[in-house]
Amino acid sequence: NAGVMQNPRHLVRRRGQEARLRCSPVKGHSHVYWYRQLPEEGLKFMVYLQKENIIDESGMPKERFSAEFPKEGPSILRIQQVVRGDSAAYFCASSPPSKGGTGNTIYFGEGSWLTVV
Amino acid sequence: DQQVKQNSPSLSVQEGRISILNCDYTNSMFDYFLWYKKYPAEGPTFLISISSIKDKNEDGRFTVFLNKSAKHLSLHIVPSQPGDSAVYFCAALLRGSQGNLIFGKGTKLSVKP
Repeated sequence: NAGVMQNPRHLVRRRGQEARLRCSPVKGHSHVYWYRQLPEEGLKFMVYLQKENIIDESGMPKERFSAEFPKEGPSILRIQQVVRGDSAAYFCASSPPSKGGTGNTIYFGEGSWLTVV
Repeated sequence: DQQVKQNSPSLSVQEGRISILNCDYTNSMFDYFLWYKKYPAEGPTFLISISSIKDKNEDGRFTVFLNKSAKHLSLHIVPSQPGDSAVYFCAALLRGSQGNLIFGKGTKLSVKP
């Protein structure tokens, strides 16, 4: 977990509210990935972003979920109108620009735990 | 449909002995296989990886074996230490993919002193 910073670490939202999760990648990393871990499950890929671009969003739910990685500032995963099923741990990861993501260059953050009540 | 399967949810081993964690996969287009270690309330930490063109990779106490014909890989930890107690995830990367890791459900390893 070499320097990927996620906040908040824990977030409680009521059904229907919005959740915003932030991720600052390792300094110098331009590739950011978001994963979700539901209880008793493995991590599931959601989206892969580079600065100002969504490269692969094949794992993102079609509605209510969006992600961005602006030129300046952290990457944001936004969940609108949260439901109980959104309760999960959300992990951000980053990798350096030259190597992309071949696993051993992907560094994970400590996660953000979302609880929807 | 699970492309990466870890069929043992838990494993208990005595300190000093070998721990063997298993993983099966279904997709022959996987290019890279990785093992991650995860403590509660923390993010996964990369342990060791293996390319699909190899059958073994070793790093200190950790060795990963890949049997492509059986679509099976295993992680050997020897000797096991109490600090190794954690959840271990097997993950795979599709050829041409970048960062889209496909994870198994994990195996919880307990190493008893």
